[in-house]
Order: sequence, then structure tokens, then C-alpha cells
Amino acid sequence: GAGVSQSPRYKVAKRGQDVALRCDPISGHVSLFWYQQALGQGPEFLTYFQNEAQLDKSGLPSDRFFAERPEGSVSTLKIQRTQQEDSAVYLCASSLVSTGYGYTFGSGTRLTVV
Amino acid sequence: AQTVTQSQPEMSVQEAETVTLSCTYDTSENNYYLFWYKQPPSRQMILVIRQEAYKQQNATENRFSVNFQKAAKSFSLKISDSQLGDTAMYFCAFMKHPGGATNKLIFGTGTLLAVQP
Repeated sequence: GAGVSQSPRYKVAKRGQDVALRCDPISGHVSLFWYQQALGQGPEFLTYFQNEAQLDKSGLPSDRFFAERPEGSVSTLKIQRTQQEDSAVYLCASSLVSTGYGYTFGSGTRLTVV
Repeated sequence: AQTVTQSQPEMSVQEAETVTLSCTYDTSENNYYLFWYKQPPSRQMILVIRQEAYKQQNATENRFSVNFQKAAKSFSLKISDSQLGDTAMYFCAFMKHPGGATNKLIFGTGTLLAVQP
């Protein structure tokens, strides 16, 4: 596609519910990142994929967070047993290769846990 | 660990005027990249300008330019001839030189810029 596509755009979850957030990167982009952006803050790194390999998951806040990219294209970020502190915008970004030119970001999914 | 600091939570400027957004960072790396991203209400982060640390010349992109002071670890963004469409959150970001396993961006907390008509 022309850009990085994320769905859903908004998600409201009851505390304790599991959620899945989808990222469709630009076709052919090797690198894929997930970031978490709390209200009024800058994005914070969650995890990084190079093709289907998850090379860095050091930013995942707990074992309730899980990400996958099984075929090296679409990625899913799953949050189990959501808690109120998980409320944030989740941004996905991709790039052709891992370079110093920055990435193309999607518009994010705003998750609200009630 | 690298950190990025933006000390101006909010800024306001009149249309057609010039405004400068501040950013400082801390790193022990010698080769790295610095970025300014714009985030409008649509939430998509849009790259405004990038600077390679080994280049002494300040980057320029149309109305946007930076003042990169490597020794002072300062990277400010100047917006000339401000337009209403420039209203957005602006984030300063740091990236280590590619070569490691993860070329993640480290962001500051942002500056909300309001351009007044």
C-alpha cells in the first residue's frame, strides 16, 4: 500500500479483556517497529522486527504484551488481560531497511481500557 | 543510555513569523542521527528534517532548518514564515548510527506548537 496502515483506529476494551492491534507496513519494508505513546508523552519503543524475526523486544512492558510478524509483512501486537495503564496510542512504523533515514509511521491505534 | 529533552511543553507563534523549538540530548555515541517529527491531530508522525551527526552543515528543508551544536548536544528547529498548517506536536528524536541490531528512535516529550492567525 501507499502508507503504513493500522487497525482499528480506536479500540475500547474492558479491563481484563485481550486485544489485538494490526499493522500493515509498506510493501517490501523489511524493518517494522511498534511504539507506545501515552497521553502527553513521546512514543516509546516496544519491539522491532526484521522480516519475520523479532530481533528486539526489550521495550515490551510485561509478559502480557506479545508481538508477531509470521510472514514478514503484517504484524500484530497482542495485549492480554488489559489494564488501565495500557491505555495509549500504539504506533507502528516501517522502513525498507534499517537506515538512518527514519521510518514511515502509521496513524496508530488509540486503546482505551475502561 | 541516550535521552532526549524538550524543555518547552508549548509554544505559540503568529502566522508568518519565525519560531525556534529547543532540543537537547545526551549520548556517548559519536555517530548518530537526529530528527524532528511533526504529529498533527491525525496522529501520524511525519518526518520534518534529519541531521547526520558527522555533518557539520545544518540541514535545511524549505521553511525548516536546524541549528545543530554537537559539542553542546543541542538540536533546535527553526520554522520560518509559520503557517496555520504547522500547528502540531513536534518531537525531537535520536537514533544511533545503523549497524546495531535495533535502530530505534528515542523521542523527547514533545512541544505543542500553535500558530495563531
